[in-house]
Amino acid sequence: ETGVTQSPTHLIKTRGQQVTLRCSSQSGHNTVSWYQQALGQGPQFIFQYYREEENGRGNFPPRFSGLQFPNYSSELNVNALELDDSALYLCASSPDGSYEQYFGPGTRLTVT
Amino acid sequence: AQSVTQLDSQVPVFEEAPVELRCNYSSSVSVYLFWYVQYPNQGLQLLLKYLSGSTLVKGINGFEAEFNKSQTSFHLRKPSVHISDTAEYFCAVSDRLNTDKLIFGTGTRLQVFP
Repeated sequence: ETGVTQSPTHLIKTRGQQVTLRCSSQSGHNTVSWYQQALGQGPQFIFQYYREEENGRGNFPPRFSGLQFPNYSSELNVNALELDDSALYLCASSPDGSYEQYFGPGTRLTVT
Repeated sequence: AQSVTQLDSQVPVFEEAPVELRCNYSSSVSVYLFWYVQYPNQGLQLLLKYLSGSTLVKGINGFEAEFNKSQTSFHLRKPSVHISDTAEYFCAVSDRLNTDKLIFGTGTRLQVFP
């Protein structure tokens, strides 16, 4: 197993732009969750996908959207970036019936 | 809805001393409880989890935690810390119906000094 990977590691965007973050889950992990971790804070749940369908959403606006693909990869898209979107974005995957989530190293997004 | 409070934002301790990181939670339903560790520039790693059964849970790297339902607490302990334990520690809860949605506390920075 290769674990959960995320790309890119870092990126810098300008306010108003759009960004796509990518995650590759472990094979067989049908659930992927995305979290936003602002500096000095704990991660906050954005949304979760199960077998390519959104399966729960936190308190984030619609400009945060996602996709999950059959090959266990997924994307987080953020439109109309705001300065407050600057954060570490974490994805986590888990197999069916497991209580443990496996986190990737995160993508650090800076919005200027 | 659930919430998690980590009472200490920073805990400084000398190497080989014991440490306790405090966590309290609030929930109207039964929950599962977790402790995660985050090393600099890395993602989160699960230290231990409480699902049911014995209230004393042992995890990796010599850590343990005790679930106290009456006090709604899940404090993390280690009898003797190492320099390598320096990291950010997060307590988290999930309800038993939606185990993949974790609610995290704000974290405790454990700083171990030689």
